[in-house]
Amino acid sequence: KAGVTQTPRYLIKTRGQQVTLSCSPISGHRSVSWYQQTPGQGLQFLFEYFSETQRNKGNFPGRFSGRQFSNSRSEMNVSTLELGDSALYLCASSLGLAGLATDTQYFGPGTRLTVL
Amino acid sequence: AQKVTQAQTEISVVEKEDVTLDCVYETRDTTYYLFWYKQPPSGELVFLIRRNSFDEQNEISGRYSWNFQKSTSSFNFTITASQVVDSAVYFCALSEVGSGAGSYQLTFGKGTKLSVIP
Repeated sequence: KAGVTQTPRYLIKTRGQQVTLSCSPISGHRSVSWYQQTPGQGLQFLFEYFSETQRNKGNFPGRFSGRQFSNSRSEMNVSTLELGDSALYLCASSLGLAGLATDTQYFGPGTRLTVL
Repeated sequence: AQKVTQAQTEISVVEKEDVTLDCVYETRDTTYYLFWYKQPPSGELVFLIRRNSFDEQNEISGRYSWNFQKSTSSFNFTITASQVVDSAVYFCALSEVGSGAGSYQLTFGKGTKLSVIP
């Protein structure tokens, strides 16, 4: 089975711009979660999508948004970029079934975003 | 609020030495899952193990072993006979039930960078 894929792998933007990152989950996985990784804050949860609906959200400003398509692929968007948004953005997919018994989040290689 | 503490920021060992990575967690949930992930320089988080809160049996997988002790809220990871390929950042994580039914998010520790010197 193919793993989680993320595009692009690297991105350079300037302050004030917006950016869209893409994530394709493992086939059959319906849940996609996004995490931000920075040296200072570590790995932080952004949001989770399941069946095209945002099911869970972390403590990030509204500039961070996402969506999920009917094929479970997900995109996240960051508007009005700030220098502090420079980070590795990781996407994880899981089956998304109710309860925790069968679910493990599998991560993609990440998109490294640099804001100048 | 949930919390995961990995007190060891960086560890260096010589190849073939054993090394233990510590993880201490805090949660009010009675049902939860603990995870270990490995992050090599390429950046991708590689899943290593999941353990639920009701299963305190230790687990061994090749050179890897995990010791889960609910009494001390610890979930430590030991690599036996370390190899250069084990060099990576290792993260311990705790599941946290999300607001949506069936949803959960991971709370990560800050990670331990392991360097295995040949």
